[in-house]
Amino acid sequence: DQQVKQNSPSLSVQEGRISILNCDYTNSMFDYFLWYKKYPAEGPTFLISISSIKDKNEDGRFTVFLNKSAKHLSLHIVPSQPGDSAVYFCAASYRNTDKLIFGTGTRLQVFP
Amino acid sequence: DTAVSQTPKYLVTQMGNDKSIKCEQNLGHDTMYWYKQDSKKFLKIMFSYNNKELIINETVPNRFSPKSPDKAHLNLHINSLELGDSAVYFCASSQERKLFFGSGTQLSVL
Repeated sequence: DQQVKQNSPSLSVQEGRISILNCDYTNSMFDYFLWYKKYPAEGPTFLISISSIKDKNEDGRFTVFLNKSAKHLSLHIVPSQPGDSAVYFCAASYRNTDKLIFGTGTRLQVFP
Repeated sequence: DTAVSQTPKYLVTQMGNDKSIKCEQNLGHDTMYWYKQDSKKFLKIMFSYNNKELIINETVPNRFSPKSPDKAHLNLHINSLELGDSAVYFCASSQERKLFFGSGTQLSVL
């Protein structure tokens, strides 16, 4: 039973355009959401997070949107750069715990 | 300086062997984890330790035994390795609900 789902295994975007990565979750007890970026042969690195009390969080080119009623979050990258090409994981956690539940990842390719 | 480091990066071994993966973090975090990424790329928690005490054990077979000699180290020992143990194992530490991962150990059991 997968509580965090990333239904698009891959996404291809032209450099300079917007990349939108989507994530759905099923458990309404999640109160904190994160995006991680992973390059081959490296560990996931933290990118951006959002608490369930917010609906948007922005950090430079990266913005995360949370729609609690739809149990959906998305990561927007604008403008996309070739260095953004990586696998992006969505993750969620419950209140009072550091345990993260991960999605299966979306491979983003940014081409020139 | 590497924040979370784990060794070895690659581990190839025969079924039935016993092996260990070491992990160290220099971030001063109290909580450390082992995660497993299987062939389908699912990244799942195995164990969590807080200040040397086991907090989470996600129904992992008891062939897997984590050991935390101090809060900066969390090692993973695996007995009687099986083919299905082949995966990438990630160590992590956390602060304020954000996890910081090591670069992973790719374990191949032949």
